[in-house]
Amino acid sequence: GAVVSQHPSWVICKSGTSVKIECRSLDFQATTMFWYRQFPKQSLMLMATSNEGSKATYEQGVEKDKFLINHASLTLSTLTVTSAHPEDSSFYICSARGGQGDTEAFFGQGTRLTVV
Amino acid sequence: GQNIDQPTEMTATEGAIVQINCTYQTSGFNGLFWYQQHAGEAPTFLSYNVLDGLEEKGRFSSFLSRSKGYSYLLLKELQMKDSASYLCAAMDSNYQLIWGAGTKLIIKP
Repeated sequence: GAVVSQHPSWVICKSGTSVKIECRSLDFQATTMFWYRQFPKQSLMLMATSNEGSKATYEQGVEKDKFLINHASLTLSTLTVTSAHPEDSSFYICSARGGQGDTEAFFGQGTRLTVV
Repeated sequence: GQNIDQPTEMTATEGAIVQINCTYQTSGFNGLFWYQQHAGEAPTFLSYNVLDGLEEKGRFSSFLSRSKGYSYLLLKELQMKDSASYLCAAMDSNYQLIWGAGTKLIIKP
């Protein structure tokens, strides 16, 4: 299957700082990328959907000014958690999909964010 | 609204067979996915069904009934490493995945 690389795998940051998470599709062009957040023992929660070259579509309740998503190329999307707080500590996962006719989305390894 | 239901937790014995059920309601339908997720890791793809019937892949099989909005994942010859959460996800008409909360499968020796 296709490979999606997410970096970093884990990060600890101080409250008030910003953290950037990268998601790269290594061997295919990702027309659409999805960003999820997952709290312990809970399912994936879709935060936003981004299409290359356009603004991300955020799910209800997700602050677009706090979770900045950039999908500048067909192989790279970034999620920046701005002014992080301890309640932002979570597991963040990206997934990438090719054209709209493609059904399978491939997941990155996930990023464990801990805000202290 | 769109909804996915699956049991929260199941327990099975090593070497046995377990079936994890999933019912779904979506706006349109473009297939049903099963993913395995070990604690602290991202989900990994197990199966995709878009037509009715059973798809077998090694020890894992997945079944779909579109008329009933129902799917199951069947795991045979259970191994301890199969202890994980199993996520059911249905793809709607916009090709968006609607996720279930996951079924935590506990395997006992």
